[in-house]
Amino acid sequence: GENVEQHPSTLSVQEGDSAVIKCTYSDSASNYFPWYKQELGKRPQLIIDIRSNVGEKKDQRIAVTLNKTAKHFSLHITETQPEDSAVYFCAGGWGGGNKLTFGTGTQLKVEL
Amino acid sequence: DGGITQSPKYLFRKEGQNVTLSCEQNLNHDAMYWYRQDPGQGLRLIYYSQIVNDFQKGDIAEGYSVSREKKESFPLTVTSAQKNPTAFYLCASTSRGGTEDEKLFFGSGTQLSVL
Repeated sequence: GENVEQHPSTLSVQEGDSAVIKCTYSDSASNYFPWYKQELGKRPQLIIDIRSNVGEKKDQRIAVTLNKTAKHFSLHITETQPEDSAVYFCAGGWGGGNKLTFGTGTQLKVEL
Repeated sequence: DGGITQSPKYLFRKEGQNVTLSCEQNLNHDAMYWYRQDPGQGLRLIYYSQIVNDFQKGDIAEGYSVSREKKESFPLTVTSAQKNPTAFYLCASTSRGGTEDEKLFFGSGTQLSVL
C-alpha cells in the first residue's frame, strides 16, 4: 500500500517568512494529494489539493508543487502570519477517505 | 459549524466499558469514515461506509464496531477489547465513496480518555 512520509515534524518561522513542508509517497499510482490544516482541538480543514496531471497549484499565499518522477510534493506558505500556526497534514492516494494515506503532520509555529 | 457534528467533545471510559461516539452529517453525503488520531501519527482509518447498511474495516478496526442504519449517522463503538483507546477520534464524509475527486469533510472530533 501507499506510504507517505512528511518532514519536518516541527517548523518555526518568523512572521513574514516563507514555510515549506515536504511529503514523499511510494505508490506511483497515487493521483490525488490534499493538504489539511488543523488548529489545536479542531477539525482538519482542506486548504489545497493537487492532482497528478498538474505540477503546481496556487491559492493566494498557499501553493503546492508535485514532482511525479521523484514522488514528492510540497506545501509552500508565503508571507506567513500568526494565524498560520497549526498542524499541517499531507495525504496521498486516489481520493475518497478509504484510499488516502496521511502523513504524520508538521507543527508550524509563526513567531512574531 | 454545520455539516458534520460529533458528540460528545470529551468522553471518558472506565475499564471494561463500551462507549459510543456519535457522528451525524447533514451534507447528504453517501460515504462516511472514522479515523483515529494519536500524537505524532497520521490519521488512521478505523471503519468506513459507502452506503447505508454496509461498512468495511479499515486499517485498525480491532476493538471497534460501527453501524450505518441511516445515511446521516455513523456511530462508532469503542469496545472493551480496545486496550489502548485514548485518542482523538475524527469522523469524516465524502459525497460518494471510493471514487476520485472526493474531498473529505471532517467533524470537530471527540477526545476519548481512559479513567
